[in-house]
Amino acid sequence: GAVVSQHPSWVICKSGTSVKIECRSLDFQATTMFWYRQFPKQSLMLMATSNEGSKATYEQGVEKDKFLINHASLTLSTLTVTSAHPEDSSFYICAGGLVYEQFFGPGTRLTVL
Amino acid sequence: AQTVTQSQPEMSVQEAETVTLSCTYDTSESDYYLFWYKQPPSRQMILVIRQEAYKQQNATENRFSVNFQKAAKSFSLKISDSQLGDAAMYFCAYRSVLGGANSKLTFGKGITLSVRP
Repeated sequence: GAVVSQHPSWVICKSGTSVKIECRSLDFQATTMFWYRQFPKQSLMLMATSNEGSKATYEQGVEKDKFLINHASLTLSTLTVTSAHPEDSSFYICAGGLVYEQFFGPGTRLTVL
Repeated sequence: AQTVTQSQPEMSVQEAETVTLSCTYDTSESDYYLFWYKQPPSRQMILVIRQEAYKQQNATENRFSVNFQKAAKSFSLKISDSQLGDAAMYFCAYRSVLGGANSKLTFGKGITLSVRP
Protein backbone atom coordinates (compact mmCIF):
# COMPACT_ATOMS: atom_id res chain seq x y z
CA GLY A 1 0.00 0.00 0.00
CA ALA A 2 0.93 3.65 -0.36
CA VAL A 3 2.96 5.25 2.43
CA VAL A 4 2.29 8.54 4.19
CA SER A 5 4.66 10.04 6.75
CA GLN A 6 4.07 12.72 9.37
CA HIS A 7 6.53 14.87 11.21
CA PRO A 8 6.88 15.34 14.09
CA SER A 9 5.32 12.29 15.69
CA TRP A 10 5.09 14.05 19.03
CA VAL A 11 5.36 17.72 19.95
CA ILE A 12 5.01 19.69 23.17
CA CYS A 13 4.63 23.45 23.00
CA LYS A 14 3.77 26.35 25.23
CA SER A 15 0.39 28.02 25.12
CA GLY A 16 0.31 30.84 22.59
CA THR A 17 2.93 29.42 20.25
CA SER A 18 2.38 27.94 16.79
CA VAL A 19 3.13 24.41 15.72
CA LYS A 20 3.54 23.04 12.20
CA ILE A 21 2.84 19.42 11.29
CA GLU A 22 4.08 18.03 7.97
CA CYS A 23 2.40 15.27 6.01
CA ARG A 24 4.15 13.66 3.06
CA SER A 25 3.02 11.04 0.59
CA LEU A 26 6.21 9.07 -0.02
CA ASP A 27 5.43 6.88 -3.01
CA PHE A 28 2.38 8.41 -4.64
CA GLN A 29 1.02 11.80 -5.59
CA ALA A 30 -1.81 12.89 -3.36
CA THR A 31 -3.92 15.46 -5.13
CA THR A 32 -6.10 15.46 -2.05
CA MET A 33 -5.02 15.42 1.59
CA PHE A 34 -7.33 15.02 4.55
CA TRP A 35 -6.64 16.22 8.09
CA TYR A 36 -8.28 14.55 11.06
CA ARG A 37 -8.33 15.12 14.77
CA GLN A 38 -8.83 12.32 17.27
CA PHE A 39 -9.39 12.39 21.01
CA PRO A 40 -8.60 9.29 23.11
CA LYS A 41 -11.02 6.41 22.62
CA GLN A 42 -12.99 8.40 20.07
CA SER A 43 -13.44 8.31 16.33
CA LEU A 44 -11.61 10.40 13.77
CA MET A 45 -13.10 13.81 13.13
CA LEU A 46 -12.44 15.33 9.73
CA MET A 47 -11.08 18.85 10.03
CA ALA A 48 -10.42 19.80 6.44
CA THR A 49 -9.76 18.63 2.92
CA SER A 50 -6.97 20.18 0.91
CA ASN A 51 -6.16 20.05 -2.76
CA GLU A 52 -2.76 20.85 -4.21
CA GLY A 53 -2.54 24.51 -5.11
CA SER A 54 -5.97 25.37 -3.72
CA LYS A 55 -7.39 26.67 -0.48
CA ALA A 56 -8.45 24.02 1.97
CA THR A 57 -12.11 23.24 2.58
CA TYR A 58 -12.86 23.21 6.30
CA GLU A 59 -15.56 21.24 8.03
CA GLN A 60 -18.24 23.10 9.92
CA GLY A 61 -17.04 24.26 13.31
CA VAL A 62 -13.33 24.13 12.49
CA GLU A 63 -11.60 27.49 12.83
CA LYS A 64 -9.73 28.11 9.59
CA ASP A 65 -7.65 30.88 11.15
CA LYS A 66 -6.47 28.60 13.92
CA PHE A 67 -5.78 25.54 11.80
CA LEU A 68 -3.92 26.72 8.71
CA ILE A 69 -3.55 24.13 6.00
CA ASN A 70 -1.20 24.43 3.05
CA HIS A 71 -0.96 21.89 0.25
CA ALA A 72 2.06 23.19 -1.61
CA SER A 73 2.82 20.15 -3.72
CA LEU A 74 1.43 16.77 -4.68
CA THR A 75 3.48 15.15 -1.92
CA LEU A 76 3.39 17.68 0.93
CA SER A 77 0.64 19.17 3.05
CA THR A 78 1.13 21.07 6.29
CA LEU A 79 -1.14 21.85 9.21
CA THR A 80 -0.20 24.80 11.40
CA VAL A 81 -1.92 25.21 14.73
CA THR A 82 -1.67 28.91 15.47
CA SER A 83 -1.69 30.39 18.97
CA ALA A 84 -2.12 26.94 20.43
CA HIS A 85 -4.01 26.48 23.68
CA PRO A 86 -4.35 23.44 25.95
CA GLU A 87 -7.70 22.56 24.39
CA ASP A 88 -5.89 22.07 21.05
CA SER A 89 -4.02 19.14 22.58
CA SER A 90 -5.00 16.13 20.54
CA PHE A 91 -3.86 13.52 18.04
CA TYR A 92 -3.73 14.80 14.48
CA ILE A 93 -3.76 12.43 11.52
CA CYS A 94 -3.35 13.16 7.83
CA ALA A 95 -4.37 10.96 4.93
CA GLY A 96 -3.58 11.05 1.24
CA GLY A 97 -6.55 10.42 -0.96
CA LEU A 98 -6.77 8.32 -4.08
CA VAL A 99 -9.90 7.38 -5.98
CA TYR A 100 -10.51 4.12 -4.17
CA GLU A 101 -8.88 4.66 -0.77
CA GLN A 102 -7.26 6.99 1.74
CA PHE A 103 -3.79 6.23 3.10
CA PHE A 104 -3.14 7.37 6.64
CA GLY A 105 -0.05 8.84 8.23
CA PRO A 106 1.07 7.61 11.65
CA GLY A 107 -0.29 10.68 13.41
CA THR A 108 1.13 13.51 15.52
CA ARG A 109 0.47 13.85 19.21
CA LEU A 110 0.26 17.54 20.19
CA THR A 111 0.45 18.57 23.82
CA VAL A 112 0.00 22.24 24.65
CA LEU A 113 1.14 23.29 28.11
CA ALA B 1 -25.78 12.80 4.51
CA GLN B 2 -24.40 9.38 5.16
CA THR B 3 -24.15 7.95 8.65
CA VAL B 4 -22.31 4.96 10.05
CA THR B 5 -23.37 3.29 13.28
CA GLN B 6 -21.36 0.99 15.45
CA SER B 7 -23.55 0.32 18.43
CA GLN B 8 -21.22 -1.89 20.45
CA PRO B 9 -18.49 0.15 22.18
CA GLU B 10 -16.54 -2.89 23.39
CA MET B 11 -16.23 -6.59 22.71
CA SER B 12 -14.05 -9.37 23.99
CA VAL B 13 -13.03 -12.65 22.38
CA GLN B 14 -11.04 -15.65 23.48
CA GLU B 15 -7.84 -16.28 21.57
CA ALA B 16 -8.41 -18.65 18.62
CA GLU B 17 -12.16 -18.01 18.66
CA THR B 18 -14.28 -16.10 16.15
CA VAL B 19 -15.81 -12.70 16.72
CA THR B 20 -18.16 -10.55 14.65
CA LEU B 21 -18.18 -6.76 14.79
CA SER B 22 -21.38 -5.05 13.67
CA CYS B 23 -21.84 -1.97 11.53
CA THR B 24 -24.85 -0.39 9.88
CA TYR B 25 -24.96 2.62 7.62
CA ASP B 26 -27.43 4.87 5.95
CA THR B 27 -27.15 6.27 2.45
CA SER B 28 -29.27 7.11 -0.54
CA GLU B 29 -26.47 6.29 -2.95
CA SER B 30 -26.32 3.05 -4.89
CA ASP B 31 -22.56 2.84 -5.36
CA TYR B 32 -20.03 3.39 -2.61
CA TYR B 33 -17.15 1.84 -0.70
CA LEU B 34 -17.22 0.38 2.79
CA PHE B 35 -14.14 -0.18 4.91
CA TRP B 36 -13.02 -1.67 8.17
CA TYR B 37 -9.97 -0.02 9.72
CA LYS B 38 -7.93 -1.26 12.66
CA GLN B 39 -6.26 1.17 15.04
CA PRO B 40 -3.86 -0.58 17.45
CA PRO B 41 -2.31 1.16 20.47
CA SER B 42 0.27 2.76 18.13
CA ARG B 43 -2.73 4.63 16.66
CA GLN B 44 -1.65 3.96 13.07
CA MET B 45 -4.78 3.43 11.00
CA ILE B 46 -4.56 0.12 9.15
CA LEU B 47 -6.94 -0.93 6.40
CA VAL B 48 -8.38 -4.34 7.21
CA ILE B 49 -10.79 -4.83 4.34
CA ARG B 50 -12.59 -2.91 1.59
CA GLN B 51 -15.92 -3.70 -0.05
CA GLU B 52 -17.27 -2.14 -3.21
CA ALA B 53 -21.03 -1.87 -3.05
CA TYR B 54 -21.56 -3.02 -6.61
CA LYS B 55 -19.87 -6.33 -5.83
CA GLN B 56 -22.22 -8.93 -4.41
CA GLN B 57 -19.39 -11.16 -3.27
CA ASN B 58 -18.24 -10.54 0.28
CA ALA B 59 -14.65 -9.38 0.60
CA THR B 60 -12.14 -11.62 2.38
CA GLU B 61 -8.58 -11.02 3.57
CA ASN B 62 -7.05 -14.05 5.26
CA ARG B 63 -8.74 -14.35 8.68
CA PHE B 64 -10.95 -11.32 8.06
CA SER B 65 -14.20 -11.46 6.13
CA VAL B 66 -17.27 -9.32 5.85
CA ASN B 67 -20.98 -9.98 5.62
CA PHE B 68 -22.25 -7.26 3.32
CA GLN B 69 -26.02 -6.97 3.19
CA LYS B 70 -26.74 -4.06 0.86
CA ALA B 71 -30.50 -4.04 1.21
CA ALA B 72 -30.24 -4.09 4.99
CA LYS B 73 -27.33 -1.60 4.91
CA SER B 74 -25.31 -3.83 7.14
CA PHE B 75 -21.56 -4.47 6.98
CA SER B 76 -20.21 -6.74 9.69
CA LEU B 77 -16.62 -7.91 10.13
CA LYS B 78 -15.81 -11.46 11.13
CA ILE B 79 -12.42 -12.23 12.61
CA SER B 80 -11.58 -15.92 12.66
CA ASP B 81 -8.92 -17.59 14.79
CA SER B 82 -8.49 -14.41 16.85
CA GLN B 83 -4.95 -13.53 17.81
CA LEU B 84 -3.58 -11.31 20.58
CA GLY B 85 -2.42 -8.88 17.91
CA ASP B 86 -6.01 -8.35 16.82
CA ALA B 87 -6.68 -6.35 19.98
CA ALA B 88 -7.36 -2.83 18.80
CA MET B 89 -10.02 -0.29 18.07
CA TYR B 90 -11.94 -1.08 14.87
CA PHE B 91 -13.70 1.52 12.77
CA CYS B 92 -16.30 0.96 10.10
CA ALA B 93 -16.27 3.64 7.40
CA TYR B 94 -18.24 4.70 4.33
CA ARG B 95 -16.97 6.51 1.26
CA SER B 96 -18.97 7.70 -1.71
CA VAL B 97 -17.67 7.03 -5.21
CA LEU B 98 -18.73 10.55 -6.11
CA GLY B 99 -15.93 13.08 -5.84
CA GLY B 100 -13.15 10.63 -6.59
CA ALA B 101 -10.05 11.36 -4.54
CA ASN B 102 -11.89 14.22 -2.79
CA SER B 103 -14.48 11.89 -1.38
CA LYS B 104 -14.59 11.94 2.42
CA LEU B 105 -14.66 9.01 4.77
CA THR B 106 -17.53 8.83 7.24
CA PHE B 107 -16.50 6.86 10.31
CA GLY B 108 -18.48 5.05 12.95
CA LYS B 109 -17.68 5.62 16.60
CA GLY B 110 -15.49 2.53 16.72
CA ILE B 111 -15.40 -0.59 18.83
CA THR B 112 -12.64 -1.66 21.19
CA LEU B 113 -11.82 -5.33 20.78
CA SER B 114 -9.90 -7.13 23.47
CA VAL B 115 -8.49 -10.63 23.04
CA ARG B 116 -8.23 -12.92 26.07
CA PRO B 117 -5.26 -15.32 26.13
